[in-house]
Amino acid sequence: EAGVTQSPTHLIKTRGQQATLRCSPISGHTSVYWYQQALGLGLQFLLWYDEGEERNRGNFPPRFSGRQFPNYSSELNVNALELEDSALYLCASSPGGSTSGGEFFGPGTRLTVL
Amino acid sequence: DAKTTQPPSMDCAEGRAANLPCNHSTISGNEYVYWYRQIHSQGPQYIIHGLKNNETNEMASLIITEDRKSSTLILPHATLRDTAVYYCIVRVAPYGGSQGNLIFGKGTKLSVKP
Repeated sequence: EAGVTQSPTHLIKTRGQQATLRCSPISGHTSVYWYQQALGLGLQFLLWYDEGEERNRGNFPPRFSGRQFPNYSSELNVNALELEDSALYLCASSPGGSTSGGEFFGPGTRLTVL
Repeated sequence: DAKTTQPPSMDCAEGRAANLPCNHSTISGNEYVYWYRQIHSQGPQYIIHGLKNNETNEMASLIITEDRKSSTLILPHATLRDTAVYYCIVRVAPYGGSQGNLIFGKGTKLSVKP
């Protein structure tokens, strides 16, 4: 079974540009989560999508946005990039509904803002 | 904020059991204890979770005290590949509800030494 996949692996942008990161969840998983891990900092929750809707949002400015498509894949958009947006962006997926267990994380996208 | 307290770092000799403690004195009756680990620059990996009974799987064992205020993750025979940051997280399962996302603390950096 394929795991969570993310693309691209690495992304280099300059300040003020926009970045788009993509995530494909495990087949059958309807929930997708996005986390940011900046160098030296912990994992910070960004966004949670389930069944195409945004369910929860972390303490990030509105220039961080995303969406979930009908096939449950997801996209994270970061507008007006700032230097401090440089980080590893991780996507995770889980089954929806009332199942327990752990989320499955992808390998991440390393975003560098110059 | 994270609801757990973990030692920042621990060492363990290869082949010995690694016992990682976690305090969660404010845990609610409906909250589970989850453990994840993150090997350097990879996405976190789910290890195990439990409510009040001890749990064991192919990766580890989870011992939860009777009052549920603390727990211990046990890796029975640590290998060099178990070197990672281990996160203890309390959360409500199932995934639904007001907070489906994970809140990561700083975790314990486990170093397994030859």
